[in-house]
Amino acid sequence: GNSVTQMEGPVTLSEEAFLTINCTYTATGYPSLFWYVQYPGEGLQLLLKATKADDKGSNKGFEATYRKETTSFHLEKGSVQVSDSAVYFCALSDRAGNQFYFGTGTSLTVIP
Amino acid sequence: GAVVSQHPSRVICKSGTSVKIECRSLDFQATTMFWYRQFPKQSLMLMATSNEGSKATYEQGVEKDKFLINHASLTLSTLTVTSAHPEDSSFYICSAGGQVGNTIYFGEGSWLTVV
Repeated sequence: GNSVTQMEGPVTLSEEAFLTINCTYTATGYPSLFWYVQYPGEGLQLLLKATKADDKGSNKGFEATYRKETTSFHLEKGSVQVSDSAVYFCALSDRAGNQFYFGTGTSLTVIP
Repeated sequence: GAVVSQHPSRVICKSGTSVKIECRSLDFQATTMFWYRQFPKQSLMLMATSNEGSKATYEQGVEKDKFLINHASLTLSTLTVTSAHPEDSSFYICSAGGQVGNTIYFGEGSWLTVV
């Protein structure tokens, strides 16, 4: 079956540090992969996505590359800011978008 | 881009009453919508899949008689929490998509507090 395994948190970084949040998946077929972000007190927002192998999704300085050979979609940012403090969810959907699977979420706190 | 709107964003109700939460897809038609519940500091729990024109599909352990889901049109799904109790207090989020580039979009979420 399909599943997403996400690096456990919480993660605490200093401002301008490099961020990596690991995400690996198990899926049949060719899923689409997503990162969602949830800022304190808010709902979920789509951060970036990739729909096929070797695609790189990017937004707001965050990047993630769809690696089929390692079944991974790790989230990276070269220099985090305090405003990046949030919970990040890795997710997978089947091709039709009818089934959606979330990782457990990783809480990130960036300190000045 | 596609937008999903959820209303109300916050609601307080008395124990024993019912409360309705609406989820609307604003610029696309959503044949399928999803309802999630999020407990504090935890991930999302899928409650049910709402299909336009048919009965919702509930996840195991979710009481269908307590959490009534109606998907009457291609742009609106509602979740009604019936006979609410304080343990129903939670953050409820809807999502829709699948047709828009295979992406799921989320509503802003609704904070329900039962007193």
